[in-house]
Amino acid sequence: EIVLTQSPGTLSLSPGERATLSCRASQSVSSSYLAWYQQKPGQAPRLLIYGASSRATGIPDRFSGSGSGTDFTLTISRLEPEDFAVYYCQQYGSSPRGTFGQGTKLEIK
Amino acid sequence: EVQLVESGEGLVQPGGSLRLSCAASGFTFSSYAMHWVRQAPGKGLEYVSAISSNGGSTYYADSVKGRFTISRDNSKNTLYLQMGSLRAEDMAVYYCARDAHSSSWTYFDYWGQGTLVTVSS
Repeated sequence: EIVLTQSPGTLSLSPGERATLSCRASQSVSSSYLAWYQQKPGQAPRLLIYGASSRATGIPDRFSGSGSGTDFTLTISRLEPEDFAVYYCQQYGSSPRGTFGQGTKLEIK
Repeated sequence: EVQLVESGEGLVQPGGSLRLSCAASGFTFSSYAMHWVRQAPGKGLEYVSAISSNGGSTYYADSVKGRFTISRDNSKNTLYLQMGSLRAEDMAVYYCARDAHSSSWTYFDYWGQGTLVTVSS
């Protein structure tokens, strides 16, 4: 069973700074089947990245995903005020499908 | 425009039952796998269940296996989650989500707004 561990738990940064969020899998994720979601308070999650590095429709290019195997990264190149939220990674390549990481909260410093 | 609208929110006693619905519009519902994901108060996302486009295949997380049943009515463009033997730990906001692909279970490109299930005596 694949377990996804996200780090850090909380990341405190200022608008304009660069954010780097990590998602580490306990086993290799098949074919880089990893997605990232953003969730703001009181809202449903929103798909940001799929296939480890492909941006979903309408997602600004300041969001980028990278990685393979067991180590994946979501990078936000220059933080905008609306980017402060909780971010989740999800793997969909191995059983049990749909496993989520525990989330990283990105807060304003 | 793709829309997913959950309903069935409610307060139920431990051991009780509840059925959630998710009405879909703006896309060919019968062509997509669908999923349920839940989020306990103040907690992260937990994958609950999935169903293939034609309803022939289903998946359940171990935490709900044997107690929850996922189903769909493609003629009504509606997804269901029948929940039974409810426990305090089932209390959460339940989201329905559309799979991004028609022929496999992958990631979720559209989500509903969520519906709250409260389990308490």
